[in-house]
Amino acid sequence: QSVLTQPPSVSGAPGQRVTISCSGSSSNIGSNTVNWYQQLPGAAPKLLIYTNNQRPSGVPDRFSGSKSGTSASLAISGLQSEDEADYYCAAWDDSRWVFGGGTKLTVL
Amino acid sequence: QVQLVESGGGVVQPGRSLRLSCASSGFTFSLYGMHWVRQAPGKGLEWVAVISYDGRDKYYADSVKGRFTISRDNSKNTLDLQMSSLRAEDTAVYYCAKDMYQWAVTSGVDVWGQGTTVTVSS
Repeated sequence: QSVLTQPPSVSGAPGQRVTISCSGSSSNIGSNTVNWYQQLPGAAPKLLIYTNNQRPSGVPDRFSGSKSGTSASLAISGLQSEDEADYYCAAWDDSRWVFGGGTKLTVL
Repeated sequence: QVQLVESGGGVVQPGRSLRLSCASSGFTFSLYGMHWVRQAPGKGLEWVAVISYDGRDKYYADSVKGRFTISRDNSKNTLDLQMSSLRAEDTAVYYCAKDMYQWAVTSGVDVWGQGTTVTVSS
């Protein structure tokens, strides 16, 4: 049971927009920033969004993040086949880091 | 370019110990907190531990507290994870990872290694 709650799976057709939610509490998302990671099949995770809504250089602006209260969201617009991956949210929680359980994105 | 290369993984019997290492390059290692994160087969990411840039502060996941010890050698740009009393549930790919901002442990990971596999089995 992960401290941060994500839907196990989401799907969308190419070109569509999907969102992935991440629900936490006052001790994690409610008082700290959120990062998002993308993990392609067989690869190490990669930083996708940091500090709630910032994109590292090289990450397309199709990816965006937001946070409100104790929840955060990752939005992916203009879905492409290469976006098919697992996505994880993460936040600092008191004296530890916590991850969401991960969301598998399927591009139909 | 930042590189993190883990080593030391393998097959170990339950109750035994194993030491993982991570060699870093491409950044000033002594200025950054460093993490270990693991991923059991077919499962999600689980944060294991973090150590501050100077080695003074260490934080652990409850699941490994008292069994695992994180350490670093800033003169050699290396990060270690000493794992003892290993259990089957410790079986995972272990990733070495760098914290995003200098002197921090709470900003999160921005660079990951490729991982080393630990299998705990009799």
